[in-house]
Amino acid sequence: DQQVKQNSPSLSVQEGRISILNCDYTNSMFDYFLWYKKYPAEGPTFLISISSIKDKNEDGRFTVFLNKSAKHLSLHIVPSQPGDSAVYFCAASGQTGANNLFFGTGTRLTVIP
Amino acid sequence: EPEVTQTPSHQVTQMGQEVILRCVPISNHLYFYWYRQILGQKVEFLVSFYNNEISEKSEIFDDQFSVERPDGSNFTLKIRSTKLEDSAMYFCASRGGTNSPLHFGNGTRLTVT
Repeated sequence: DQQVKQNSPSLSVQEGRISILNCDYTNSMFDYFLWYKKYPAEGPTFLISISSIKDKNEDGRFTVFLNKSAKHLSLHIVPSQPGDSAVYFCAASGQTGANNLFFGTGTRLTVIP
Repeated sequence: EPEVTQTPSHQVTQMGQEVILRCVPISNHLYFYWYRQILGQKVEFLVSFYNNEISEKSEIFDDQFSVERPDGSNFTLKIRSTKLEDSAMYFCASRGGTNSPLHFGNGTRLTVT
């Protein structure tokens, strides 16, 4: 039951360039989307979120874009830094219960110095 | 910055034994969660807890699992009779309200032998 999908398991980007991580979802009831970053041996760390009433949210080097009609969101990191190397998880929730999050399988980003 | 803390960081147990994983959520948060991640797989929702009762649970959260908030600070996950397939990272998370991000602990690595 893959309601949130990240089709790219890995991505390599040169330092200073833009990293674009993609995520697709199938459940049209989702209305809140988040990106988490995860280092080995640590829990996911919240990066940025967007609600379905917006199509863009920006926080410093991180921007999340939401295309509701395509059920697609993306995370842009610019400029990419070596410290951004981690696994990035897309997550989504809807107006059900206590709004638990559904996670994608993650994309491992490697930023090459 | 306040954080979610989990103990122990690593738990090794024999099949059939009971384990209790402990979490201290962020103090003013109201919603509590357990997730798990089997090695190489996605982060999966187990259970959410609000107002001293389970709000929602997944198919994974069967009768072998239980959660408790025994006092004002701790939130525990108990597995009554562990199976080999319970080996995973278990993450506790909390949030202050709906449509706010979940904050995760660093996880407990459970190894069932």
